[in-house]
Amino acid sequence: QQPVQSPQAVILREGEDAVINCSSSKALYSVHWYRQKHGEAPVFLMILLKGGEQKGHEKISASFNEKKQQSSLYLTASQLSYSGTYFCGTPKPRNAGGTSYGKLTFGQGTILTVHP
Amino acid sequence: GAVVSQHPSRVICKSGTSVKIECRSLDFQATTMFWYRQFPKQSLMLMATSNEGSKATYEQGVEKDKFLINHASLTLSTLTVTSAHPEDSSFYICSARQGRAEYEQYFGPGTRLTVT
Repeated sequence: QQPVQSPQAVILREGEDAVINCSSSKALYSVHWYRQKHGEAPVFLMILLKGGEQKGHEKISASFNEKKQQSSLYLTASQLSYSGTYFCGTPKPRNAGGTSYGKLTFGQGTILTVHP
Repeated sequence: GAVVSQHPSRVICKSGTSVKIECRSLDFQATTMFWYRQFPKQSLMLMATSNEGSKATYEQGVEKDKFLINHASLTLSTLTVTSAHPEDSSFYICSARQGRAEYEQYFGPGTRLTVT
C-alpha cells in the first residue's frame, strides 16, 4: 500500500524551513527518502532503519517514528537547489520467507519550490 | 561511486515494434535491479525486480510477456518492451542495489519512450 505524503506541495523563499511527512497504514521496517528534479532520475538522500533514528545530510535531516508508522524530512535554511519532488519509499511487505528483496513502494511525492 | 547508467535516454518508435532499454551499474555489482515506470507528475511504480541469473518477478498487473527483463550479469539488466503501443509511452527508470535489502537503491537517469 502506497505511503501518504503531506503536504502535496510547498512553496518557500530561500532560507525558509519545510517539513515533509510520510505515513503508512502498515508497519514500517525502514523509510527511504529521494529527491527528483524534473526530467531526471531520483537521487538518494537517506535511509532510516530503526525506530527513533534520526539522520542528517547538510541541512536536510529526517526522523523515523516506528510506532506512529511515519517519517518526517526536515529541510532547514532552504536553498534554490532544494527544489524538486521529494518521495518517501517504504519496503513492500515481506513474503512468507521473510524476504522483501528491498522492493519499495513510493509515496505520491511532495513538490518543493524554492524561490529567491 | 554508485553510478547507474541507462541507454538510450530517449527513444521514439512506431506502434508494434519492440524497444530494448539497458541498465548498467558502472562501479559496483548489483545484486538486484528494479524497473519502474513513471507517468508525468506521478509517482514511481515498480514494474519488476530482477536478480542476476534468475527470472524476474513482476508486480501485479504487469504483463511479463510484454515487458521482458533479462538480468544477464551483475552489472547489466535489460528491459524489452515488445509490440509497443502508444499507451506504453512513459518514463522508464531502473535502479540497482548492492547487497542487502535494507540498502539504498541508486537510480539510472531514465529512458523517455514515445510510441507513435
